[in-house]
Amino acid sequence: QQPVQSPQAVILREGEDAVINCSSSKALYSVHWYRQKHGEAPVFLMILLKGGEQKGHEKISASFNEKKQQSSLYLTASQLSYSGTYFCGTAVRGGGADGLTFGKGTHLIIQP
Amino acid sequence: AAGVIQSPRHLIKEKRETATLKCYPIPRHDTVYWYQQGPGQDPQFLISFYEKMQSDKGSIPDRFSAQQFSDYHSELNMSSLELGDSALYFCASTQRRSSGNTIYFGEGSWLTVV
Repeated sequence: QQPVQSPQAVILREGEDAVINCSSSKALYSVHWYRQKHGEAPVFLMILLKGGEQKGHEKISASFNEKKQQSSLYLTASQLSYSGTYFCGTAVRGGGADGLTFGKGTHLIIQP
Repeated sequence: AAGVIQSPRHLIKEKRETATLKCYPIPRHDTVYWYQQGPGQDPQFLISFYEKMQSDKGSIPDRFSAQQFSDYHSELNMSSLELGDSALYFCASTQRRSSGNTIYFGEGSWLTVV
């Protein structure tokens, strides 16, 4: 079942913060976050495994609440380069056994 | 660093023709995934292979087939093409581990069916 992402779109000014949420009705093993620019490949941002960990990558971090089967991606002090569509991909089994099921994406537009 | 290589990058076919897409995973990656992404859509998982065996199956049409070869490259074969098959097809790869795995995507192959 497809994870639900929110919001669908968000427009920010450079330097502002954003939070993108991803929730699933299934028990998840992992949540993968990607950013995709139009016509390009999804670029891996980070992976979170069940266990409620939080990870960071430059000014981008994420958390995974295993009890709620929810993950959130945090973008702080956004830069123009952060513009794109953010997808969460979920897997119910570990070890790469599953193909990821992606949410519908969150369109992020950063304005100068 | 080496990435996932896909070919061809662009392909134009007529309805009812066949097409073959190729994917070369990152060296030492043993798992390959195929995704289809329509305009403005999220990537849809089609099929995956691990050690040359089908691992997981998603929304792959019966007209499509795929396989992974001994050198770990994979091919997606599409027959009786329909206009709705026009999409960006991604291959992704990973190296299986017991806990967590990063899945990297190739640049994609644009298929246009006319």
